[in-house]
Amino acid sequence: QKEVEQNSGPLSVPEGAIASLNCTYSDRGSQSFFWYRQYSGKSPELIMFIYSNGDKEDGRFTAQLNKASQYVSLLIRDSQPSDSATYLCAVSRDNTNAGKSTFGDGTTLTVKP
Amino acid sequence: DAGVIQSPRHEVTEMGQEVTLRCKPISGHDYLFWYRQTMMRGLELLIYFNNNVPIDDSGMPEDRFSAKMPNASFSTLKIQPSEPRDSAVYFCASSYRDRGSNEQFFGPGTRLTVL
Repeated sequence: QKEVEQNSGPLSVPEGAIASLNCTYSDRGSQSFFWYRQYSGKSPELIMFIYSNGDKEDGRFTAQLNKASQYVSLLIRDSQPSDSATYLCAVSRDNTNAGKSTFGDGTTLTVKP
Repeated sequence: DAGVIQSPRHEVTEMGQEVTLRCKPISGHDYLFWYRQTMMRGLELLIYFNNNVPIDDSGMPEDRFSAKMPNASFSTLKIQPSEPRDSAVYFCASSYRDRGSNEQFFGPGTRLTVL
């Protein structure tokens, strides 16, 4: 089993719809959770991070964390073609392995106009 | 700040040759990471440093790979000898641990092709 697993893509949604990206992790000591976006041929860039159970909203993006279920998700509302990219989930133990994150394989999202 | 700087951006070499990848982290950052990304294996952490000291090199695939960080503003990843299976995009990233945040800022990557 991989340490961080993401729902296999590709995921295709129409413009304006909600895109839902999911991630599960195996290390119960994980404390920090990140979503990176990576456009084709570019480097990953952080779009959201969450540390506490519940929801965290930033514009059209909402991250959801459930530590008991070892599950983190990213919702993208009003999806735009510019959201088409690969989304990487990353988790970190933070205090003990501060700075070290383990990444999932990513889910590729396509938003169709 | 200019962000994380990597050089070269593209490298094409022949099997058996030595390859050196370079990275300049964001000024003030105390963590530096080297990753490798391929379609088959995704984004893999190779090694990371804290305050110029290697902390975890368990991801380094074999002895052909070595990394150094002689000072806070420079790191190298060396492959000697290179093999075709080393072809990948190599990313350097840096971060600053502030109140538990460990957001990593990635450089543009070096696309390595070993023929």
